[in-house]
Amino acid sequence: DAKTTQPTSMDCAEGRAANLPCNHSTISGNEYVYWYRQIHSQGPQYIIHGLKNNETNEMASLIITEDRKSSTLILPHATLRDTAVYYCIVRVALDSNYQLIWGAGTKLIIKP
Amino acid sequence: DAGVIQSPRHEVTEMGQEVTLRCKPISGHNSLFWYRQTMMRGLELLIYFNNNVPIDDSGMPEDRFSAKMPNASFSTLKIQPSEPRDSAVYFCASSPLMGAKNIQYFGAGTRLSVL
Repeated sequence: DAKTTQPTSMDCAEGRAANLPCNHSTISGNEYVYWYRQIHSQGPQYIIHGLKNNETNEMASLIITEDRKSSTLILPHATLRDTAVYYCIVRVALDSNYQLIWGAGTKLIIKP
Repeated sequence: DAGVIQSPRHEVTEMGQEVTLRCKPISGHNSLFWYRQTMMRGLELLIYFNNNVPIDDSGMPEDRFSAKMPNASFSTLKIQPSEPRDSAVYFCASSPLMGAKNIQYFGAGTRLSVL
């Protein structure tokens, strides 16, 4: 079962910051939060991940609350090409690897 | 690197036929994953391999599905016999084994239609 809850869909104006929320209230102490996105007709693409500290890379920023029960992905200057389904995922440890527990994602539409 | 390569991109077949999907992972990656994506069920993990060995196949829906990884650079997912409800997009992903990042890199997928 998915361990995350996300809005079904969101809109954002081109050039503005897109803030995508995610709830993961049952996350365990050693479980990471990953974000992927899937542009129409393509495979999912990794964006960013974090454990408890905020993270930033060339694509986005990830803000994780102090209690780790929720996080926000920030696309600082959204473009039309950022229109996609964004998945907030909890990575759980298995015997000899990790598994990504996928939810339904948020469909983000960037409007001109 | 060319990334994860899947073939074919599209497959249309008739019910009862055998279907074989192929995947070439990124060179140097030790883990390989097969996923299925449908509108109703979203993205589901079917099976994954570590160092060419199947580790967890609990997501494989039925005995009609089988997956192999004969070497580090090739894997197949076979459906025999195929049924209309198998219609979906099948993704292959690879990642380094364990590691701090453990990022999965996905192929472009194979869109399967079983008539």
